[in-house]
Parts: sequence; structure tokens; C-alpha cells
Amino acid sequence: DTGVSQNPRHKITKRGQNVTFRCDPISEHNRLYWYRQTLGQGPEFLTYFQNEAQLEKSRLLSDRFSAERPKGSFSTLEIQRTEQGDSAMYLCASSSRTVSSGNTIYFGEGSWLTVV
Amino acid sequence: AQKVTQAQTEISVVEKEDVTLDCVYETRDTTYYLFWYKQPPSGELVFLIRRNSFDEQNEISGRYSWNFQKSTSSFNFTITASQVVDSAVYFCALSDENTGNQFYFGTGTSLTVIP
Repeated sequence: DTGVSQNPRHKITKRGQNVTFRCDPISEHNRLYWYRQTLGQGPEFLTYFQNEAQLEKSRLLSDRFSAERPKGSFSTLEIQRTEQGDSAMYLCASSSRTVSSGNTIYFGEGSWLTVV
Repeated sequence: AQKVTQAQTEISVVEKEDVTLDCVYETRDTTYYLFWYKQPPSGELVFLIRRNSFDEQNEISGRYSWNFQKSTSSFNFTITASQVVDSAVYFCALSDENTGNQFYFGTGTSLTVIP
């Protein structure tokens, strides 16, 4: 059983460029989450999918950010016109509503973004 | 509003000492869930434990134990006989029944176990 997979693990980009991160959740999980974490802080919620539907978005998700989950499986998070303030680790997580796991969410290893 | 406070920013202990990580939470909901996650230097957040608001039974799992007290809104985590591999950042998190899609994380406690 594989966990949540994210790639690329590290990305260095120039300010103004677009970047895209991919997340493959645990296969039987229908809920997928994106979080952002900066140094010295806890993860902050960005957005949530149930199957292919994006049901919730944080105010942190500016119009330069877009997330998709086209077939209810993998998800992509794209950041357009990157700014230095976007430098952070982007974490993907997934969960299932089964009785045994309840609301527990399981995280991937994250994708580090550095904007120079 | 939901809030999670981890007042301890950094803790250092010598190997084999016991260490307790504090977590205080705020929520108006009567049904909620509390979690502890561990984040080693590799970056992945590793799930450790989940408790719901109706289950105040404290638990021991190997060297780990948890103390959940609704009266003080605290969910503390203790590592007994700490080891170098326990060095990591530990996060406490909260989710409510009504906002179960979001987890509210504390700012984390960085634990260093000195050999």
C-alpha cells in the first residue's frame, strides 16, 4: 500500500514563472487536501476536494493559484506568476470517510518551492 | 473560532529523559477531533494519534502516551525514555465536525534529543 506521493520534491524557479505540483493520493481515498507550510509555522489549509469537486478554498488561495482534480484521482496545484512570498512547502494529504480512519488525513512528503 | 496553541517552541532533552509536549485548543463545537503529527527533517507529516471529543481515555502506546483533558482543553503528548530518532517537530491539530475538511495546526514544538 503506497502513501501519498508528491512531485517534484523540490523546485527552484525565477520570480514570475509558473510552477505546477502533482499529488497522487492513497488509492482508496476520495478526499484530497492541499496545505502550505512556511518555516517555523504549522501547515495552513489551502483547498479541499471530494472526488473531482473542489468544495472549499482558503482565502490564502489567491487568483494566481489554481488546483484541479480532473478525474477524482491525482491533483495538480499550479502557481502562476510566482512571487518570492510563495516560497514554502506545499503539502498534499488525503483521507477516507471509513469508520476505521474517521477524519484522519495522511500527508505526502511535500514539495519545496523556492522562488528566486 | 478554532485555535491550537503550542507554547513550547523548542525543547532539548538528553537521551532517555522523558519529555511532555503541550497542546491547548479552542473550539465552540461539542464534537471535534484532536491529532498529533510528527515531522522529521525529511518533511513528511507522520500521523501519530487521533482522539475524538467523546473519548477522554488516555492511551499509552509503547514509549508514547497522551493525556486528553476537556476540562482544561489540553491534549498533551509524552515521550518516555526519549531517543535520538524522536528528534523532530511535533504538531498538534484540531478539526471540528462542522469544519472537518480543515485541520487547524499549532505552530509546532521542535524536539531535539541529545545523545
